[in-house]
Order: sequence, then C-alpha cells, then structure tokens
Amino acid sequence: NAGVTQTPKFQVLKTGQSMTLQCAQDMNHNSMYWYRQDPGMGLRLIYYSASEGTTDKGEVPNGYNVSRLNKREFSLRLESAAPSQTSVYFCASSEQGVAGELFFGEGSRLTVL
Amino acid sequence: QQQVKQSPQSLIVQKGGISIINCAYENTAFDYFPWYQQFPGKGPALLIAIRPDVSEKKEGRFTISFNKSAKQFSLHIMDSQPGDSATYFCAASKMDNKFYFGSGTKLNVKP
Repeated sequence: NAGVTQTPKFQVLKTGQSMTLQCAQDMNHNSMYWYRQDPGMGLRLIYYSASEGTTDKGEVPNGYNVSRLNKREFSLRLESAAPSQTSVYFCASSEQGVAGELFFGEGSRLTVL
Repeated sequence: QQQVKQSPQSLIVQKGGISIINCAYENTAFDYFPWYQQFPGKGPALLIAIRPDVSEKKEGRFTISFNKSAKQFSLHIMDSQPGDSATYFCAASKMDNKFYFGSGTKLNVKP
C-alpha cells in the first residue's frame, strides 16, 4: 500500500521556469493538501482540496496554482518559479470528517536558482 | 502571522530524561490538536492527538497536556531515547479540516 506518492523527489529550476509537482493517494481520501516546509517556519498550507472539484487557498498561495484532477490526484504548479519558492513541498491527504489524521508523502525538494 | 506558536526551536535531552515541547494558539475555533514526528528525509507522521474536551492524553511514553483556558498544549516524552531524535510539530485544525502547524522543534536525545 503506497499511501501518498509525490513526484519528482528532487528538482532544480532556473528563475522564471515552470513546473508541476504531482501527488497521488491510494487511500480513497476526500481531502488533499499541499504544504511547504522551510527552516524555522514549520509547515505552511499552500492549497487545500476538500473534495474532487474543489480547491481553497491556504496561508501562502501566491505564485502557485493547483488542480484536483480526480479523487486520487492533486497537482501543484509553479508558473514562473522564484528563488523564494525554494523549499521542500509535501502533499498530504485525509479522510474528511472528525478524525482528521493527515497522511504525508515523502516530500519534493525544489531549488530555484 | 502563525496561528500556532511552538517552542523551543531545538532541544537537547539526555537519554532517560523528559522532553517537553510547548505550543500556543489564539483561535478558539480549533478543535483538534495533533503532534507530528518527522525523521530526516521523510514526511511527518501522526504521533498523538487530543481534542479540547480532555486535559490529558497518554500513549506509551508520549503525553499531551492541554490547557483550554490558557490556549496552550504541550508534548511530554518520558524516558527519552536516542530513537526519539526527530523534529516534532504541533498543529491545530477546525471543522474545515485545514491544519495549521507550529514552526517545529528539533529534538536531540544524547546517549
């Protein structure tokens, strides 16, 4: 059982380039999330999807777009990468409702030069 | 501004000692308070969680203490072991299932 799978694991971009981070979960969860992790800042929510077809901004959405392609997949796109977007990105999923446990992928390390 | 404030940023504890990490929040709508553990190169994983209707929850060597009136909660790791060395995050969420995380505490348990 794979859980939450993110690709790619590592990526180096030049300023202004675009890229998409892919995320897929096999736990039949309704809710999916994208977080970024920076030293001393913890995990900050970029975008959230409560269910297929819905997305909502989190704490730091500027410079990002998302697509909830279906129940399994939730992608994060950087249209014009900036050095400030150098970070480790985590995708997560959860069963919507009271329990609330988040299941995380192993992360995607992005460097923007 | 961060919705959940966590301290300390780093912590060194001797093997067998007690590790204590503290968190505070402002939004009284939060109703679920989990702690996550993260090892290097891995994603965070749920360690233990509490809801505000109880003041304490214990699972093995890990205990959450919750003070609703002070809007604070803490993680206590009893008999700390080198294998507990990791980064710990507190978090809070509301009914909308959005999770807000603290800044993290890097714990180093010395043998």
